[in-house]
Amino acid sequence: EDKVVQSPLSLVVHEGDTVTLNCSYEVTNFRSLLWYKQEKKAPTFLFMLTSSGIEKKSGRLSSILDKKELFSILNITATQTGDSAVYLCAVYSGGGADGLTFGKGTHLIIQP
Amino acid sequence: ETGVTQTPRHLVMGMTNKKSLKCEQHLGHNAMYWYKQSAKKPLELMFVYNFKEQTENNSVPSRFSPECPNSSHLFLHLHTLQPEDSALYLCASSQDLWYQETQYFGPGTRLLVL
Repeated sequence: EDKVVQSPLSLVVHEGDTVTLNCSYEVTNFRSLLWYKQEKKAPTFLFMLTSSGIEKKSGRLSSILDKKELFSILNITATQTGDSAVYLCAVYSGGGADGLTFGKGTHLIIQP
Repeated sequence: ETGVTQTPRHLVMGMTNKKSLKCEQHLGHNAMYWYKQSAKKPLELMFVYNFKEQTENNSVPSRFSPECPNSSHLFLHLHTLQPEDSALYLCASSQDLWYQETQYFGPGTRLLVL
């Protein structure tokens, strides 16, 4: 059974801090790893990673994948209160609906 | 607003009721998805449609029945649900199947089964 584990489950930091969120996985047929940000209800797509060692960057957010050690990290620098959200990691292993496995998410709170 | 709408936004139903959730997108996307998000459990993908055709799915109980009459509309028909089916049901669409970089989610339907 495919498994995705995110850590920490929750994190409280002060505005301006840098945070690193972790996602480790065990899947039978890895195709891609996805990061989402969920504020209130609807998740929004952040990154899709398929290759090891290639950093993807969007503003203050960046992510990298290590396919040998089976994990990914999501970095947020100079955090702002608007970064407060649940960050979801998912791994796609192909096939139909059963091929997408999510972690439980990291609940990030940025204090002013 | 993401371009994906869901109705109703909230629904309370008894275990013997039959109800339907509706999702609509006018983004010109070809793939649509139903997700379930229960409290303290990971987000779970339930159904996937590509060009109105359902891709393989093995795990969802038959009391959930999806319908995709065209590329813009997706329904989830509910009947004889259980209290543990109470959750947030999210719809999403993407330009093409598994093209997550173009995926947008709707606001969800909060379902409570009594």
